[in-house]
Amino acid sequence: ETGVTQTPRHLVMGMTNKKSLKCEQHLGHNAMYWYKQSAKKPLELMFVYSLEERVENNSVPSRFSPECPNSSHLFLHLHTLQPEDSALYLCASSHGTGPSEQYFGPGTRLTVT
Amino acid sequence: AQSVAQPEDQVNVAEGNPLTVKCTYSVSGNPYLFWYVQYPNRGLQFLLKYITGDNLVKGSYGFEAEFNKSQTSFHLKKPSALVSDSALYFCAVRDMTNAGKSTFGDGTTLTVKP
Repeated sequence: ETGVTQTPRHLVMGMTNKKSLKCEQHLGHNAMYWYKQSAKKPLELMFVYSLEERVENNSVPSRFSPECPNSSHLFLHLHTLQPEDSALYLCASSHGTGPSEQYFGPGTRLTVT
Repeated sequence: AQSVAQPEDQVNVAEGNPLTVKCTYSVSGNPYLFWYVQYPNRGLQFLLKYITGDNLVKGSYGFEAEFNKSQTSFHLKKPSALVSDSALYFCAVRDMTNAGKSTFGDGTTLTVKP
């Protein structure tokens, strides 16, 4: 285990549903990230939080809404998603946003029907 | 802008043979370079990184990588492959001035056959 947990591990939702993904890190890190991993695309950075402030929003549609209430927790709120949003959503954390490596959670497999 | 290229989608080697997974990068400044491995139904796991200093970097599970500035490459190597090394490998780059924003390659699937 990497010290980063994600729940749920699997999620199926309709296009009109609202759901949230949760990430928790137990490593004492101060930076957290959301990535999208699709079968046909490389790993895409979605959001970066440093010291609980969003420092990067990589042109992500507004139907994805992140929240970082403290340095250990990160949420991704989902609403009115599209089928093409089906993917593996990975959370990661690191010690700062400089040369530190990232530690990834196991991911949430999201299917939008 | 920063980018990473992993020119091989698939690398096949026999167990016991040396392996190389290739990575080239492009950044405007000095790079931070990383290798990660992903096993099925798991998140990415950190293997090794280059920040500065010695061009040969040693990491987890016997892997190493060589930073070559003139060729802008950071190839992953292992002297003797194991079947358990079979996985998806990602190279990532981050410009020193681009805090928090890593760019990942498309990944290379390594298959080690007994």
